[in-house]
Amino acid sequence: RKEVEQDPGPFNVPEGATVAFNCTYSNSASQSFFWYRQDCRKEPKLLMSVYSSGNEDGRFTAQLNRASQYISLLIRDSKLSDSATYLCVVNGAVGNKLVFGAGTILRVKS
Amino acid sequence: GAGVSQSPSNKVTEKGKDVELRCDPISGHTALYWYRQSLGQGLEFLIYFQGNSAPDKSGLPSDRFSAERTGGSVSTLTIQRTQQEDSAVYLCASSQDLGYGYTFGSGTRLTVV
Repeated sequence: RKEVEQDPGPFNVPEGATVAFNCTYSNSASQSFFWYRQDCRKEPKLLMSVYSSGNEDGRFTAQLNRASQYISLLIRDSKLSDSATYLCVVNGAVGNKLVFGAGTILRVKS
Repeated sequence: GAGVSQSPSNKVTEKGKDVELRCDPISGHTALYWYRQSLGQGLEFLIYFQGNSAPDKSGLPSDRFSAERTGGSVSTLTIQRTQQEDSAVYLCASSQDLGYGYTFGSGTRLTVV
């Protein structure tokens, strides 16, 4: 089983739609959770950290479910510029380094 | 510096040659990581450095790959006797400490011909 698993997509949604991604992780001792965004041929950039109580940043909401070992990202009112690959990131079982999921592709269309 | 700086941004080399890739992390960040990403693929962990601890080399694909970090700051990734399968984008990242979010550099695109 992979340490971090994501649905690769692609998710094709119209502008203005709400879209949600889930990600599962295998290390029950993980303490750090993030969502990164990667645009085509660019480096990954931190989108938001994920806190136990859940957190919101504008149109983006992240949730953590420790019991089921998954995290989610909700994007409301999708924009064309949201089109990217979204990477789920969790600190792993070995050495506490971050483990990156393979990513979920989002395509927002007009 | 303000961000993670990598050089060169692009490198084309002949099969069998050695290459050196450089990473200058954010000032004060104690942890430094190297990843590579082939076209259309996910991030592949290579190696990380944390302070004065021995580096975690568990992701290096072969003994042709090595890395060092001098003075706890700049790091160099060296690939000896390059092969075509080494072609990828090599990404460096740094963080305040283990478990913190990473900041990535813009990468070095390596092409072995």
